[in-house]
Amino acid sequence: KNQVEQSPQSLIILEGKNCTLQCNYTVSPFSNLRWYKQDTGRGPVSLTIMTFSENTKSNGRYTATLDADTKQSSLHITASQLSDSASYICVVTDSNYQLIWGAGTKLIIKP
Amino acid sequence: EPEVTQTPSHQVTQMGQEVILRCVPISNHLYFYWYRQILGQKVEFLVSFYNNEISEKSEIFDDQFSVERPDGSNFTLKIRSTKLEDSAMYFCANTRRLPYQETQYFGPGTRLLVL
Repeated sequence: KNQVEQSPQSLIILEGKNCTLQCNYTVSPFSNLRWYKQDTGRGPVSLTIMTFSENTKSNGRYTATLDADTKQSSLHITASQLSDSASYICVVTDSNYQLIWGAGTKLIIKP
Repeated sequence: EPEVTQTPSHQVTQMGQEVILRCVPISNHLYFYWYRQILGQKVEFLVSFYNNEISEKSEIFDDQFSVERPDGSNFTLKIRSTKLEDSAMYFCANTRRLPYQETQYFGPGTRLLVL
């Protein structure tokens, strides 16, 4: 069954620190992998989209990595800011363009 | 930057009533989607819509649900007879082309509460 698992479920870090969020998937074959940021009560906002041939993609302080062999992705946030507090969702697109959503990691940045 | 808008932002309704959720997609975007997110749970796909017809739908999207573009701009989701379990945030999204490598732009959502 196609699944996307994220860890940790939640994470609290101090402002200015870095953090890494994990995503493991079993979707096969797979078209691309996306990371979204979702503020509480708002719609998801796209951060990165990577195909299987891309290993890394950056968007400002956000850097996503992908290992298509081990079916793992990570999202690294550098020098966290209070506004980074949100849920971060990993989404994998299968070969039929269906988006398989992870449950998200809830990140809290403390001053 | 163009935005997807949704109305209303909040809707409270009685069980069994019909509700219509509205979305104004980004112009020149051709693919439209509805998702829902029950509080504290993951985002769930409901339906995709292209060229005035449904492309894909999930098991959630049963006969109680329907979508249409009544005037070529608005994109609506109708729930005919709401149930308590329909309480959720409903998000509209769109892409310019087929979703492969296309960014999906989400609206701010409509929070639906069924009493």
